[in-house]
Amino acid sequence: DVKVTQSSRYLVKRTGEKVFLECVQDMDHENMFWYRQDPGLGLRLIYFSYDVKMKEKGDIPEGYSVSREKKERFSLILESASTNQTSMYLCASSFSRATNEKLFFGSGTQLSVL
Amino acid sequence: GENVEQHPSTLSVQEGDSAVIKCTYSDSASNYFPWYKQELGKGPQLIIDIRSNVGEKKDQRIAVTLNKTAKHFSLHITETQPEDSAVYFCAASTGSGNTPLVFGKGTRLSVIA
Repeated sequence: DVKVTQSSRYLVKRTGEKVFLECVQDMDHENMFWYRQDPGLGLRLIYFSYDVKMKEKGDIPEGYSVSREKKERFSLILESASTNQTSMYLCASSFSRATNEKLFFGSGTQLSVL
Repeated sequence: GENVEQHPSTLSVQEGDSAVIKCTYSDSASNYFPWYKQELGKGPQLIIDIRSNVGEKKDQRIAVTLNKTAKHFSLHITETQPEDSAVYFCAASTGSGNTPLVFGKGTRLSVIA
C-alpha cells in the first residue's frame, strides 16, 4: 500500500524560527498536498503540487511556502514561525492530475510554536 | 469556490445503533464526494466515495447517498461498533485534477458500548 511519511510526529519551535516540514511518498504519485487541521475548522488546504517544481496556493497559503524538487518529496516551509501556526499539519498524495482520486495521508506533524 | 457544510459536529450513539452524518455543498459542478475516517493519532483514510452518476453506494455497514438536486449527501453507518469511533470528513470536488477536494469541518462520532 502507499506510504506517506512525515518526518516528525511532534515538533516544538520558537517564534521567528524557520521551520521545515518534510513529506515523502513512495508510490510515484503526481499530486501532493499540505493541509492544516485545527479543532472545529476541519482540513484546510495550504499548498498543493501536481508536478515537480510546480506549486499552487490553496485556501490559506499566507505565512507558508513549499518546495518540490523531487517527485516523491514535498516540503512545507514556515519562513518565520508564529504562534498562530501552532497546528496539526497533514501531508497527502494522490496518483494523477487527470481526476481527483483517493488521497493518501501521512500521520501528521503536531507543530507547537512557543 | 466550493463550500462544504457538515453536520453534526459531534455524534454519540449506542453500539448497534445507526449513525448518519450529513453534508451540503454549494457548487453544482461538483461530481465527486468522498468520505474519510480519521482515527486517533492517524491521518484520514478514504472509506467510501460516490460520483454524481449514482444516487447510492454501499460497502458492508457503510452507505453513502447523494441528492444532486438538493446538493446534499450523507454517510450512513449501520450496526455501529466501538471501532467506528473516529472523526469523519466529507468532501466534494468537480473531479478535475485542477480543483482539489474541499472538506467539511468533520464529525466526531462516539460509539458507546
